[in-house]
Amino acid sequence: TQLLEQSPQFLSIQEGENLTVYCNSSSVFSSLQWYRQEPGEGPVLLVTVVTGGEVKKLKRLTFQFGDARKDSSLHITAAQPGDTGLYLCAPKKPSGSARQLTFGSGTQLTVLP
Amino acid sequence: GAVVSQHPSWVICKSGTSVKIECRSLDFQATTMFWYRQFPKQSLMLMATSNEGSKATYEQGVEKDKFLINHASLTLSTLTVTSAHPEDSSFYICSPIGAGAPPAETQYFGPGTRLLVL
Repeated sequence: TQLLEQSPQFLSIQEGENLTVYCNSSSVFSSLQWYRQEPGEGPVLLVTVVTGGEVKKLKRLTFQFGDARKDSSLHITAAQPGDTGLYLCAPKKPSGSARQLTFGSGTQLTVLP
Repeated sequence: GAVVSQHPSWVICKSGTSVKIECRSLDFQATTMFWYRQFPKQSLMLMATSNEGSKATYEQGVEKDKFLINHASLTLSTLTVTSAHPEDSSFYICSPIGAGAPPAETQYFGPGTRLLVL
């Protein structure tokens, strides 16, 4: 079982602030995905990072995969209330695999207006 | 993109009753269905995996006689919480994969069913 630790577990910030959340593991991943889940809904895929050291940007969200492919971070610039949600990391499921996703412990982000 | 529906979206029941949750894949055939449970402020935890026409495989600590899974067709899977108790109150989410499904890069999830047992 791949153990994924996310930190912080909870984060409450004011609108306009920047933040970074982390996903760490003792295992090496071929790739990793970030999901966001809003209250009362299922998770939605944000990004997949594949290469060690890779950085991907999605508007105000910046995702980075660690050089050793054992950790990842998500940085949000100028957070908005709409960014509120549970952020989950998960190792990418191999193509064609029926193996289920194993999620990290999650970071609950609340952005206050 | 793929569409996954769950019904009901929320349900309140008395302790001791049984509740059935339906999960439908609307535009692809779900040969495999994953059922997750999520408690407030926590991550998703896999409960069981079912393949169409076969018995489900349950994760350690999940009672198979309490959480009955039926996956009789390629578009419908059901999770029945039998003799529900307040500690079963949770958010239940299904996730189908299979033939014609989105690329393996994306695993879609149902919108979830909120269960509250009084």
